[in-house]
Amino acid sequence: QTVVTQEPSLTVSPGGTVTLTCASSTGAVTSAYYPNWFQQKPGQAPRALIYSTFNKHSWTPARFSGSLLGGKAALTLSGVQPEDEAEYYCLLYYGGPQLFVFGTGTKVTVL
Amino acid sequence: QITLKESGPTLVKPTQTLTLTCTFSGFSLSTSGVGVGWIRQPPGKALEWLALIYWDDDKRYRPSLKSRLTITKDTSKNQVVLTMTNMDPVDTATYYCAHDSSEYPGFDFWGQGTLVTVSS
Repeated sequence: QTVVTQEPSLTVSPGGTVTLTCASSTGAVTSAYYPNWFQQKPGQAPRALIYSTFNKHSWTPARFSGSLLGGKAALTLSGVQPEDEAEYYCLLYYGGPQLFVFGTGTKVTVL
Repeated sequence: QITLKESGPTLVKPTQTLTLTCTFSGFSLSTSGVGVGWIRQPPGKALEWLALIYWDDDKRYRPSLKSRLTITKDTSKNQVVLTMTNMDPVDTATYYCAHDSSEYPGFDFWGQGTLVTVSS
């Protein structure tokens, strides 16, 4: 079974920068996995932030950016705001029987 | 404006079959490339992709749950239905439906989710 792993938790100061990563148990993550990133706050549905590695939705704040980093998908938050405190999930597309796999999630604390 | 909303029972007994309906607006499931997926989230745990149905009635399922899941669509009603048989307490979760864009794999618009508890 494919597993997609993220850092369990990260802490960042307001105004700071933090990078979250998303690794696949099958090997290096490439653009062919169309990495997506989602933000989820307590009691709310996930909100899409990034699609196809680095593309932003129309509602995605400019301080969020996606990339590939060392064989993983990455989400960088620059100039972090208090309202960015949330759980973040990546999603990878495998195209086969296991069409999509979500990551394990990263809890970002702004402190 | 794309919106989706899940509906169904909030409580089911073990061994029963769960039927959830996703009613959507702002897009058509007859448009080439478009899909609607189901995702669940057990309390305090991560998201899990369950199933997806595309505009051409292509259906995909999470392999570990494939024998228990059925996804169907009613294009005229703008609805997608997910059934899960033989429910177990470990299936207690918030169930979401979401729109899969025709432009790229992934989910851009989500429903608010519905909490389903499995208990006798």
